[in-house]
Amino acid sequence: EAQVTQNPRYLITVTGKKLTVTCSQNMNHEYMSWYRQDPGLGLRQIYYSMNVEVTDKGDVPEGYKVSRKEKRNFPLILESPSPNQTSLYFCASSSTPTGLGTDTQYFGPGTRLTVL
Amino acid sequence: AQTVTQSQPEMSVQEAETVTLSCTYDTSENNYYLFWYKQPPSRQMILVIRQEAYKQQNATENRFSVNFQKAAKSFSLKISDSQLGDTAMYFCASLTNFGNEKLTFGTGTRLTIIP
Repeated sequence: EAQVTQNPRYLITVTGKKLTVTCSQNMNHEYMSWYRQDPGLGLRQIYYSMNVEVTDKGDVPEGYKVSRKEKRNFPLILESPSPNQTSLYFCASSSTPTGLGTDTQYFGPGTRLTVL
Repeated sequence: AQTVTQSQPEMSVQEAETVTLSCTYDTSENNYYLFWYKQPPSRQMILVIRQEAYKQQNATENRFSVNFQKAAKSFSLKISDSQLGDTAMYFCASLTNFGNEKLTFGTGTRLTIIP
């Protein structure tokens, strides 16, 4: 089954304690993104990756890091989490740029993060 | 900057009726894509329908259809014969920069289908 998986699904942590949210896709997709969803703001892109070792900032990258060492994995790293990073996080992937094909972005199930 | 506006925070409709969700967007690009995503209580983001800006014909997927007005930059979603399973948050989104695959989302409309 084609899917994007995220772990953990729920996480409560404290300010300053480093954490990683994993994202994995089994569709051999090149493009992957991280979004955060906040009430009244919709979803906003944090980082994206066009392929292995190629990443770039989205709209709200401050306080986050990513890496893309393997095509299937795109972890999101919060090295020193703060309460303003409490949010719902989504990973997404697509096989080709949306403008060049009929593919679209597939979203993971979401990770609810609370930073105390 | 690209913006997507959904002016209806909440809507409700009786089961089996038709409902229309509004969305307007702003872009200076000539080629772009528009989407409606559904987020049920499970929080999963599910693609409902997509529209390529260069296509004049409105997209349709079973009970879901759009009214795409390019000049007015309007992209509304019509749900016909609404069902209880349609209860969800609906997000309108645009994609104008094909280099970063960034979807720009609206703030969402919470739709409730009343039995």
